[in-house]
Amino acid sequence: GQNIDQPTEMTATEGAIVQINCTYQTSGFNGLFWYQQHAGEAPTFLSYNVLDGLEEKGRFSSFLSRSKGYSYLLLKELQMKDSASYLCAVRDRVYSTLTFGKGTMLLVSP
Amino acid sequence: DAMVIQNPRYQVTQFGKPVTLSCSQTLNHNVMYWYQQKSSQAPKLLFHYYDKDFNNEADTPDNFQSRRPNTSFCFLDIRSPGLGDAAMYLCATGDGLGGEQYFGPGTRLTVT
Repeated sequence: GQNIDQPTEMTATEGAIVQINCTYQTSGFNGLFWYQQHAGEAPTFLSYNVLDGLEEKGRFSSFLSRSKGYSYLLLKELQMKDSASYLCAVRDRVYSTLTFGKGTMLLVSP
Repeated sequence: DAMVIQNPRYQVTQFGKPVTLSCSQTLNHNVMYWYQQKSSQAPKLLFHYYDKDFNNEADTPDNFQSRRPNTSFCFLDIRSPGLGDAAMYLCATGDGLGGEQYFGPGTRLTVT
């Protein structure tokens, strides 16, 4: 099975940088996804890591260390619209399905 | 140009009264998923279809069933809803297993 841990809440200021951490314990790992979910809306895909290292996509970057069971999502130049829940999800090696963490609620203030 | 459509967006049903939620997609993806998400919790996978092959998660209650009559449509049937089944139900699609998943807007189910 999978066990995924993320902080429950974080706050940051507009224009700042924030790092959201995710740790996981898994019986079989085959990739890690980050999704953004605004209140009452569907999750939308942000990034995907399967190899160690940093993936950069505009204001968003995601890092993975498989040996440490650790990932982070880095958001730069924060905007008010970035206030949302950020979900870390691990893909199972055998079944290729995703197990989601509970999400980190990020509140961006002016 | 909606890609994954869920109807209705809000559904109210009575305790024990069967209810069906629907999902359709225009992406022609071969995989369709159903998730249950309760407030402030992670989306929990209930089951998925790979083409016509149905895959049920081990801890999904028997009360939850699904049908996929064709590539585009997938239904979630709750045979006897209990108060604990009140949640957001998310449908997602994928082009093959393990890739990015595309989510619909969800159906919020209330059980009275």
